[in-house]
Amino acid sequence: EDQVTQSPEALRLQEGESSSLNCSYTVSGLRGLFWYRQDPGKGPEFLFTLYSAGEEKEKERLKATLTKKESFLHITAPKPEDSATYLCAVQAGGTYKYIFGTGTRLKVLA
Amino acid sequence: EAGVTQFPSHSVIEKGQTVTLRCDPISGHDNLYWYRRVMGKEIKFLLHFVKESKQDESGMPNNRFLAERTGGTYSTLKVQPAELEDSGVYFCASNGQVQETQYFGPGTRLLVL
Repeated sequence: EDQVTQSPEALRLQEGESSSLNCSYTVSGLRGLFWYRQDPGKGPEFLFTLYSAGEEKEKERLKATLTKKESFLHITAPKPEDSATYLCAVQAGGTYKYIFGTGTRLKVLA
Repeated sequence: EAGVTQFPSHSVIEKGQTVTLRCDPISGHDNLYWYRRVMGKEIKFLLHFVKESKQDESGMPNNRFLAERTGGTYSTLKVQPAELEDSGVYFCASNGQVQETQYFGPGTRLLVL
């Protein structure tokens, strides 16, 4: 069964304290892995798409990486405005639906 | 460019009543998806339209849920009759080609009492 597991469930960081969020996946034939950011009361906001092991994408303080079993979202020198829930989703071969993890709730303290 | 819009933003109904949720995808997007997040769980897929045809409805929980997309533009998701376990946030997403990123709307928060 296709599955996505995110860890940790919640993370508190001091401003400037870098860290990484993990997304482990089990899927039959990965089409793509997606990272989204979700703020309270809003819909998921697209961050990155990764398609193959070894691929990396960067945007401001965020960097996403992909291996054959997991993806990491690295946050460098975070700011309070980076506080949000970060969602990981995969798309398996043969289907176009997303399979989501439960997310990591990130809180960055000033 | 306007994003995906959903209406209403919130709905509170009693068990046994009917509720209809609406989604307007990004203009020109042929693919429209419905997802749902119930309390404490992950976002789960409900169904996928290509234009006005149902491509994949494997995630629809039961026959109390009816999704339509007449004309291939906006879509509605009707729950009739609503049950307590239908409470959650219903998201709509769209993309132009199926291999592209899905863009999500703000969601409709449904509470069934």
